[in-house]
Amino acid sequence: KAGVTQTPRYLIKTRGQQVTLSCSPISGHRSVSWYQQTPGQGLQFLFEYFSETQRNKGNFPGRFSGRQFSNSRSEMNVSTLELGDSALYLCASRRTGGDYGYTFGSGTRLTVV
Amino acid sequence: AQTVTQSQPEMSVQEAETVTLSCTYDTSESDYYLFWYKQPPSRQMILVIRQEAYKQQNATENRFSVNFQKAAKSFSLKISDSQLGDAAMYFCAYRSSPDAGGTSYGKLTFGQGTILTVHP
Repeated sequence: KAGVTQTPRYLIKTRGQQVTLSCSPISGHRSVSWYQQTPGQGLQFLFEYFSETQRNKGNFPGRFSGRQFSNSRSEMNVSTLELGDSALYLCASRRTGGDYGYTFGSGTRLTVV
Repeated sequence: AQTVTQSQPEMSVQEAETVTLSCTYDTSESDYYLFWYKQPPSRQMILVIRQEAYKQQNATENRFSVNFQKAAKSFSLKISDSQLGDAAMYFCAYRSSPDAGGTSYGKLTFGQGTILTVHP
């Protein structure tokens, strides 16, 4: 059974650019969440999607956005990149209809220069 | 808002020995879920163990067990017979019950993590 797949694994962007990260959840998982991990702030919740609808959003500026497609795949977009956006971005998916632990991907390491 | 605190930035243990990682949390909710995740250098967060707050029995998964003290809002992880492969960053995480709704739904709140080193 394939795990949560995040692409790309590494990304280098310039300040002011925008970036799109992709996440393919485990087959059958309809909930996808995104987290930002930095040494200073730790793991912070960005947003969660279920059935193409954003159900919850963390305390991040509007430059951070996301969406989910009908096949449950999700993308997150960061516009007008800042140096402080350099981080590991983790995607997690879970089954719904009960409480099951989240399964995480290996993340996308974004470096903004 | 809920908070999770891991007071041990680093811990070390000898192979085959037992180590306990601490976690405390703050919440006004009565029903919730707690998790321990492991993040090795490969970066992937791996679920180690989960506990449902309404269950008084402590969860166990092979060599991993928890000491869940609901009144004290404490959730420690005990690793028995430590192995070299246990070396990683360990995160404690909190999630509200689905009934909580609102801004808590679906969100994991993490502690700052504990780096575990296993010495051969």
